[in-house]
Amino acid sequence: AQSVTQLGSHVSVSEGALVLLRCNYSSSVPPYLFWYVQYPNQGLQLLLKYTSAATLVKGINGFEAEFKKSETSFHLTKPSAHMSDAAEYFCAVSKKGGNKLVFGAGTILRVKS
Amino acid sequence: GAVVSQHPSRVICKSGTSVKIECRSLDFQATTMFWYRQFPKQSLMLMATSNEGSKATYEQGVEKDKFLINHASLTLSTLTVTSAHPEDSSFYICSAGGGGDTQYFGPGTRLTVL
Repeated sequence: AQSVTQLGSHVSVSEGALVLLRCNYSSSVPPYLFWYVQYPNQGLQLLLKYTSAATLVKGINGFEAEFKKSETSFHLTKPSAHMSDAAEYFCAVSKKGGNKLVFGAGTILRVKS
Repeated sequence: GAVVSQHPSRVICKSGTSVKIECRSLDFQATTMFWYRQFPKQSLMLMATSNEGSKATYEQGVEKDKFLINHASLTLSTLTVTSAHPEDSSFYICSAGGGGDTQYFGPGTRLTVL
């Protein structure tokens, strides 16, 4: 079975500060890992994904994430937060070659001016 | 590319009625579509997986007779909530996969059952 744990249901940062959203996964098989963003009353938009190529993955809007097998982590970062980054972020895992996603509980990012 | 639409975006219905939600892949053929529900302040929970032309596979605890899923073509899947009750009120989101490893999500449908 696969699972995802997102540490911190709410994260607050100042505009221009580093964004760090934590994600740890559990998987008995090599995983594919994803980060999605959801704005209020909207669907999910893919930020980036890890599918066993480079461990440092760059996504849209300046976000990146690093797959660390030894730590079973896939934390999301952005060097400088922007007000428009305020949203809810979901980490998800699937099996390699599979397509069924298991989501974490989500982290709401608040950006203060 | 990879745009998924849902219709309607919002629906309010009376208890006991049925509601149909459509999910369309606009610019690609979706071999597999997924239906999720999301309660307020919670994550997405997979309800079922549907492959074009075959019966949907429901997750444990999801009533297949209550949540009817049809995937009649490579660009359209429908979810019908039958005999809806207030506890069915939720945000329903579909996603579509084109055979690769990425799912593309629709904008969601807010269902309110009075």
